[in-house]
Amino acid sequence: AQKVTQAQTEISVVEKEDVTLDCVYETRDTTYYLFWYKQPPSGELVFLIRRNSFDEQNEISGRYSWNFQKSTSSFNFTITASQVVDSAVYFCALSDNLSGGATNKLIFGTGTLLAVQP
Amino acid sequence: DAGITQSPRHKVTETGTPVTLRCHQTENHRYMYWYRQDPGHGLRLIHYSYGVKDTDKGEVSDGYSVSRSKTEDFLLTLESATSSQTSVYFCAIAIGQGGNQPQHFGDGTRLSIL
Repeated sequence: AQKVTQAQTEISVVEKEDVTLDCVYETRDTTYYLFWYKQPPSGELVFLIRRNSFDEQNEISGRYSWNFQKSTSSFNFTITASQVVDSAVYFCALSDNLSGGATNKLIFGTGTLLAVQP
Repeated sequence: DAGITQSPRHKVTETGTPVTLRCHQTENHRYMYWYRQDPGHGLRLIHYSYGVKDTDKGEVSDGYSVSRSKTEDFLLTLESATSSQTSVYFCAIAIGQGGNQPQHFGDGTRLSIL
């Protein structure tokens, strides 16, 4: 069955530290997509990134980077030089054809609460 | 801004009463979704729609119904609300062509059932 596991329930760091949020996924499909979303304290959900299973290149966007490793079924998210504004709940999600990729259905992990202390 | 409006944003009601939440989009996207968010569970899909009058169940559909009579509106109804349905409800739309597109979310509705 399709599943997304975010084993880190809460992480607390001090500003300027680097932090990695783990995401492990399960799917029997060979074509799938992985996503990260951010939910700041204000409550809205913000789309961050989508990667497909054929592209294992790491992605960097400013202080954010994503490491996709099919060998370990992981799609980890690293924030470099964290800031207080990075404090949020971060969700990893999976979409594949078995779970209804044509309908864009997402399977979410339970989220990781990141607290960045000043 | 994906042009999604959820109403109401907050609601408190009593057990046994009917409740309807509305999701309105301005951009004629085909796919719309309703989720609930609860501590320890992340986001769970309740129902989704792939067109006018075309809907299907998600992971946690019991106790909920939906309707989509116009492209822009997707309604979620709790026929007889229970305390277990106290939650934050999010509407989402999928933007882009083809499958596996990212979803963009409304601001959520906080529903409390006493």
